[in-house]
Amino acid sequence: NAGVTQTPKFQVLKTGQSMTLQCAQDMNHEYMSWYRQDPGMGLRLIHYSVGAGITDQGEVPNGYNVSRSTTEDFPLRLLSAAPSQTSVYFCASSSTETNTEAFFGQGTRLTVV
Amino acid sequence: DAKTTQPNSMESNEEEPVHLPCNHSTISGTDYIHWYRQLPSQGPEYVIHGLTSNVNNRMASLAIAEDRKSSTLILHRATLRDAAVYYCILTSSGGSYIPTFGRGTSLIVHP
Repeated sequence: NAGVTQTPKFQVLKTGQSMTLQCAQDMNHEYMSWYRQDPGMGLRLIHYSVGAGITDQGEVPNGYNVSRSTTEDFPLRLLSAAPSQTSVYFCASSSTETNTEAFFGQGTRLTVV
Repeated sequence: DAKTTQPNSMESNEEEPVHLPCNHSTISGTDYIHWYRQLPSQGPEYVIHGLTSNVNNRMASLAIAEDRKSSTLILHRATLRDAAVYYCILTSSGGSYIPTFGRGTSLIVHP
């Protein structure tokens, strides 16, 4: 059981470049979400989805786009990378039950120069 | 979701018990209490959760106050591998389960 898989693990971008961070889960979870974590900080919610075709903004959505065309995949797009987006990004998935756990990927470490 | 308050950091010696507190004075009757931990350079991982009664699993125990305004995560014998940031999170049964994280408690374990 792979759980939540994020790719790539590391990425260096130049300012203004675009890229997509991939996230896939094989647990048939309805809920998926993206977080960023800056040094010494907790995780901040960027975007989330409660099912295929449904997405919503979290705490820090600016500069990021998402889509959810399938239950399994939830990619995060940076349209024009900025140095302020240098961070570690985590994807998570969970079922519709609030008394169960969320599963997190291992993270993507992104550096924008 | 209601907010939680945790100490920024705590220290423990190896093989001693650790009690990590969390205050959640605005918790509603249907909010679950979840604990996650994040080891260095890894994503958060689930530790334990509960609603009203104390809970035990292979990783830890969760003690919930009778009025539910606070809870304590108990690691019975800390190991060096338990050094991590521990997050206390509330989730509402009426909403979508998307965890919202604070800064958590950084646990330092001394050999």
